[in-house]
Amino acid sequence: ETGVTQTPRHLVMGMTNKKSLKCEQHLGHNAMYWYKQSAKKPLELMFVYNFKEQTENNSVPSRFSPECPNSSHLFLHLHTLQPEDSALYLCASSLDWDTGELFFGEGSRLTVL
Amino acid sequence: QQQVKQSPQSLIVQKGGISIINCAYENTAFDYFPWYQQFPGKGPALLIAIRPDVSEKKEGRFTISFNKSAKQFSLHIMDSQPGDSATYFCAASSPYKLSFGAGTTVTVRA
Repeated sequence: ETGVTQTPRHLVMGMTNKKSLKCEQHLGHNAMYWYKQSAKKPLELMFVYNFKEQTENNSVPSRFSPECPNSSHLFLHLHTLQPEDSALYLCASSLDWDTGELFFGEGSRLTVL
Repeated sequence: QQQVKQSPQSLIVQKGGISIINCAYENTAFDYFPWYQQFPGKGPALLIAIRPDVSEKKEGRFTISFNKSAKQFSLHIMDSQPGDSATYFCAASSPYKLSFGAGTTVTVRA
């Protein structure tokens, strides 16, 4: 069983909707990440939080808004999305930010109509 | 700019055969090279990893070969089984930076 839990697993939304993705990790890790996974492309890092502080924002459009209330929870707030934002959104955690050993959740499959 | 180039994009192998996936990188600051395995409907999971001070690492049927001078590394899956059918991602890491390859979909035919 994964130590990183993502909800919802599937989400369909219109371009004018507002929704949120949730991630929770039970591993005692200090860093959490949002990645976007599109077919045939490398995983795209979106945001990194280390000890609840945002340490990286990879030029992500403002229609994606992250929130990290504590080291165990991470949210991705979505509003006014575009159809090209349809993808699998993966949350991951690691013990510290400077490690390449990530533990991923199962992802939230987002479809924007 | 893609930091890690992975090939092939997909491969089909017969049960019992050897699957080989290759990756190349440019940034000599990378000091940790993990491989992730992803099954359909699941997130990627760390499979095996290597540091550049060794040329090979083996865990069960999975072996990483590392060529520091050529800046290349590869994953070999020996005695491939249908349960190995998945997408495999190589990655390269330095402190505060982790770059993934585009992935290789491996299909093992029974």
